[in-house]
Amino acid sequence: NAGVTQTPKFQVLKTGQSMTLQCAQDMNHEYMSWYRQDPGMGLRLIHYSVGAGITDQGEVPNGYNVSRSTTEDFPLRLLSAAPSQTSVYFCASSLDRGAQETQYFGPGTRLLVL
Amino acid sequence: GESVGLHLPTLSVQEGDNSIINCAYSNSASDYFIWYKQESGKGPQFIIDIRSNMDKRQGQRVTVLLNKTVKHLSLQIAATQPGDSAVYFCAPGPGGYNKLIFGAGTRLAVHP
Repeated sequence: NAGVTQTPKFQVLKTGQSMTLQCAQDMNHEYMSWYRQDPGMGLRLIHYSVGAGITDQGEVPNGYNVSRSTTEDFPLRLLSAAPSQTSVYFCASSLDRGAQETQYFGPGTRLLVL
Repeated sequence: GESVGLHLPTLSVQEGDNSIINCAYSNSASDYFIWYKQESGKGPQFIIDIRSNMDKRQGQRVTVLLNKTVKHLSLQIAATQPGDSAVYFCAPGPGGYNKLIFGAGTRLAVHP
């Protein structure tokens, strides 16, 4: 199994540009989520999904959209990038939604918005 | 509101020594706690967890202690190795992992 994969590893955007961060997992996990990590701060939940076709907002959803058309994929879209979205983005998955389930994190995408 | 704090943002230890990383939480309803390790340039990796009905749990070279009275937990690493150098996060959750609140992390630096 490849686990959780994320692409790209690094991206530079100009303010106002749009892009999609890709996340895929091959473990047949129902639960997937997106976090952002900023210097000196912990991971903050952006959006999550409890299964295909179901998504919900996390702590910091503004400026981001998600969809979950398949169990495997959970892309994160930035419609109009802003410098405040400069961060490292992590995708995670787990077998189900329970907190007792171990989350598996991807390697991250470093995003710089100029 | 919910907050998670760490007593020491950076911890330096000698190889072979024991390390103790502390974490305080504010939500008394937290019933599940996870410790993650994050190496430079990588995503967080699960280390160990503990439920609120326990006060101690041991893994391989790691022990987590939970003191619900003072809302504090600690991660103890025995015989610290250079490969233990990383940032360690605690994450309490009042149910459902979408409710996990991650602390900023403590950086552990292991010196030979």
